Amino acid sequence: GQNIDQPTEMTATEGAIVQINCTYQTSGFNGLFWYQQHAGEAPTFLSYNVLDGLEEKGRFSSFLSRSKGYSYLLLKELQMKDSASYLCAVTDSWGKLQFGAGTQVVVTP
Amino acid sequence: GAGVSQSPSNKVTEKGKDVELRCDPISGHTALYWYRQSLGQGLEFLIYFQGNSAPDKSGLPSDRFSAERTGGSVSTLTIQRTQQEDSAVYLCASSQMGLATSEQYFGPGTRLTVT
Repeated sequence: GQNIDQPTEMTATEGAIVQINCTYQTSGFNGLFWYQQHAGEAPTFLSYNVLDGLEEKGRFSSFLSRSKGYSYLLLKELQMKDSASYLCAVTDSWGKLQFGAGTQVVVTP
Repeated sequence: GAGVSQSPSNKVTEKGKDVELRCDPISGHTALYWYRQSLGQGLEFLIYFQGNSAPDKSGLPSDRFSAERTGGSVSTLTIQRTQQEDSAVYLCASSQMGLATSEQYFGPGTRLTVT
């Protein structure tokens, strides 16, 4: 079956690091996206991985292991504005996204 | 505006009525996707358009749901005989080419409430 799992909620302190894990079992795989969604707003693109390894983009990094069906999003130097839901999504060849339920990150002062 | 727009932003309707939701993608984007997000749940794929054709309608939950796209631009999602379980936020996204590598740009969504 198709399954994308990520933790429901994570809490971290401002300035700290948080790692959001995502595991997937899907019938097709053409890459994995991470999106950020603030409450009441549209999701916005954070990262895309299709090859194994780490992609770094400023304070955010994303890792992929295709053999393990595993990805993580690393948020460094957390800021209050990083409080949001983080969505892991696997894409098929058409670009159709299959999403996990999202991880709510709460940043505390 | 340069982004994806959707209308209406909010829609309250009575059970059994039909509703139409509209999406204006980013100009020049050939691919258009509809998703819905129910309370506390992840985004669920509904349908994908490449130009005016819909190669993948696999996510439409029932035959009460239909969608069309005209002129390779605007898309309308129609829900007939709405039910309470249709209450959700309906999100539209577009991408340049509809490839796996293409970033999707999301609109602000239409919040549908069926009473």
